[in-house]
Amino acid sequence: GDSVTQKEGLVTLTEGLPVMLNCTYQTIYSNAFLFWYVHYLNESPRLLLKSSTDNKRTEHQGFHATLHKSSSSFHLQKSSAQLSDSALYYCALSDHGGANTGKLTFGHGTILRVHP
Amino acid sequence: EAAVTQSPRNKVAVTGGKVTLSCNQTNNHNNMYWYRQDTGHGLRLIHYSYGAGSTEKGDIPDGYKASRPSQENFSLILELATPSQTSVYFCASGDAGGGAGTLYFGSGTRLTVL
Repeated sequence: GDSVTQKEGLVTLTEGLPVMLNCTYQTIYSNAFLFWYVHYLNESPRLLLKSSTDNKRTEHQGFHATLHKSSSSFHLQKSSAQLSDSALYYCALSDHGGANTGKLTFGHGTILRVHP
Repeated sequence: EAAVTQSPRNKVAVTGGKVTLSCNQTNNHNNMYWYRQDTGHGLRLIHYSYGAGSTEKGDIPDGYKASRPSQENFSLILELATPSQTSVYFCASGDAGGGAGTLYFGSGTRLTVL
């Protein structure tokens, strides 16, 4: 079945440094939809950005990611980390194999901690 | 604004007891989902629903039942709660949208089974 791998469980950064959170996935389907969700403490998880277009950069709220189907990757990046970026980040892959359930397979999540 | 409301926010249950977690959405989405969140495992799908009267097993359905009596409401039921079911549970709604639909999550229910 589908799977998503986020190899870092915790990323700690100094404010102002660039952010890169890794996400790779496995699926037998060519029309992958990939997502990044962010979960701030005491809030609900919410969508940060999504993409299904190969090699096209997607941006939202200062973050960006590019889906690379050749390497099955969808890494999340930001040029300069802010204290307010501290949160739990999930990469996710949609169920697109024809059943159209809309359900997502999530990675284990990466905690991003930004300190002064 | 999209809204998914879960109740209760916190619940303490005893082993062997019955627990019902409730979820209400005002988004008029057909699909609803129950996930549990555990450190080291991320969000894992327990049950989901396509609409009123439908429930489907997710990736980890054992020990859980679900009920979708209406478009708006989706419940998760633990008939015989066990300590391994101590977790944070999230309900979400969404439209399938050809795979590109966004999920809207509730605030979560923290369940502790003693």
